[in-house]
Amino acid sequence: AQSVTQPDIHITVSEGASLELRCNYSYGATPYLFWYVQSPGQGLQLLLKYFSGDTLVQGIKGFEAEFKRSQSSFNLRKPSVHWSDAAEYFCAVGVQSSASKIIFGSGTRLSIRP
Amino acid sequence: DAGVIQSPRHEVTEMGQEVTLRCKPISGHNSLFWYRQTMMRGLELLIYFNNNVPIDDSGMPEDRFSAKMPNASFSTLKIQPSEPRDSAVYFCASRSSGGAWDTQYFGPGTRLTVL
Repeated sequence: AQSVTQPDIHITVSEGASLELRCNYSYGATPYLFWYVQSPGQGLQLLLKYFSGDTLVQGIKGFEAEFKRSQSSFNLRKPSVHWSDAAEYFCAVGVQSSASKIIFGSGTRLSIRP
Repeated sequence: DAGVIQSPRHEVTEMGQEVTLRCKPISGHNSLFWYRQTMMRGLELLIYFNNNVPIDDSGMPEDRFSAKMPNASFSTLKIQPSEPRDSAVYFCASRSSGGAWDTQYFGPGTRLTVL
C-alpha cells in the first residue's frame, strides 16, 4: 500500500536561508506525489505535484521539488525563505487503485527565525 | 470565486448531541471530499463524492458518521451522537472534472470540540 513519511516534525530556519523538507514515499510504480501547505487556521493549498516527466517540479511561491526514484524521495526546496512561509507542509501520495484518494504525511511545521 | 465554503467555522457541543457540518463546493466542481485532521491521526479522507454520488466511504470511522450530497452545491457531514474523540478539524475540498488527480481545493475547515 502507498504511504508517505515526513521524518521532520518541526524545522526552524532563518529568514533568507535555504530550505529543504524531506519526504519519502512507499510505492512500487511511479507514484503521484504532491506537496501542500497549510497556514494557521486555513485549509490546505497545493504547492506542486509530480506525475511523470521532468523530475524537478516547479510550484507556486518559489517552491520546487525533486523526484528521486532511487531514494524514494520527493523533497521540497526553496532557495530563500520568507517569514510568510511559516506554515505546516504536507507531502502526499495518490492511491492509484482508488482514483482520487490521496494519503497525506504527518506534516512538517516550519518556523522562520527573524 | 469564493472558494470552498464551510460552516460553521467553530462548533462546540456536548457529548451525545447531533452535529451537522456543511460545505459548499466551488461552482462547477463535480467532486467533493471530506477530511478529518487530528494530532494523533493526521489528515484522513472520510468520504468522497463524484457527481453527488458517494464513491468511497471507507474512511468513515463508524455508523455515527454520515454524509450526504443532495445537489452539486451542497454537502453535509453529520455525527450522531457525537463523542469527545470526534473532536477534530473537518475539511471539505472540491475538485473539477478535469481528472482524478486534478487539484483539490480545500475549505478553511470546521473546528469541532465535543465536551
